[in-house]
Amino acid sequence: GNSVTQMEGPVTLSEEAFLTINCTYTATGYPSLFWYVQYPGEGLQLLLKATKADDKGSNKGFEATYRKETTSFHLEKGSVQVSDSAVYFCALSGTGGGNKLTFGTGTQLKVEL
Amino acid sequence: GAVVSQHPSWVICKSGTSVKIECRSLDFQATTMFWYRQFPKQSLMLMATSNEGSKATYEQGVEKDKFLINHASLTLSTLTVTSAHPEDSSFYICSARERTSGANVLTFGAGSRLTVL
Repeated sequence: GNSVTQMEGPVTLSEEAFLTINCTYTATGYPSLFWYVQYPGEGLQLLLKATKADDKGSNKGFEATYRKETTSFHLEKGSVQVSDSAVYFCALSGTGGGNKLTFGTGTQLKVEL
Repeated sequence: GAVVSQHPSWVICKSGTSVKIECRSLDFQATTMFWYRQFPKQSLMLMATSNEGSKATYEQGVEKDKFLINHASLTLSTLTVTSAHPEDSSFYICSARERTSGANVLTFGAGSRLTVL
């Protein structure tokens, strides 16, 4: 079945540091890949997505590239801010999955001044 | 943008009682809503898919009689944990797909934390 593996947290960074949160997946066919972010006390929000190999999703300075050869979708940001502190979830939707999402365990990011 | 509200955000109940959690789409109609369960430091596990006006589709291993789902209108789905026990304590999250949205665009609620004593 489908599965998503992402790096464990918490990840603690200083403001303006470079961020990478690793995500790899296992799926049959051609899944769509997502990053969701959950700020304290709020619901998950879609951060970015990619629907086919080599697509790059980007939003709010975050980027992730769909790498089929390495089955990865790593999240990156060049310069994090305190306001980026949140939990980040990698997820996939399988081919014809009808919105059924398979999530990773989430990675908590803490950005300090 | 689209907003999904869950109520209550947290609830404590005694073992053996039933608890109802509501999931509402506030400014859009949702033909499909999803219910997830999240244990500490674990991923969200899909429990069931709720379609307006029809029976929910449960994932393998989820007890239908234990977790009753009702999607009575295009803006409301409810999850009732019947005869709750301490092992049902968890964080329950719903998401909704807007009726007119493209595939794979979901709006999530903030979650409901259930503690069964």
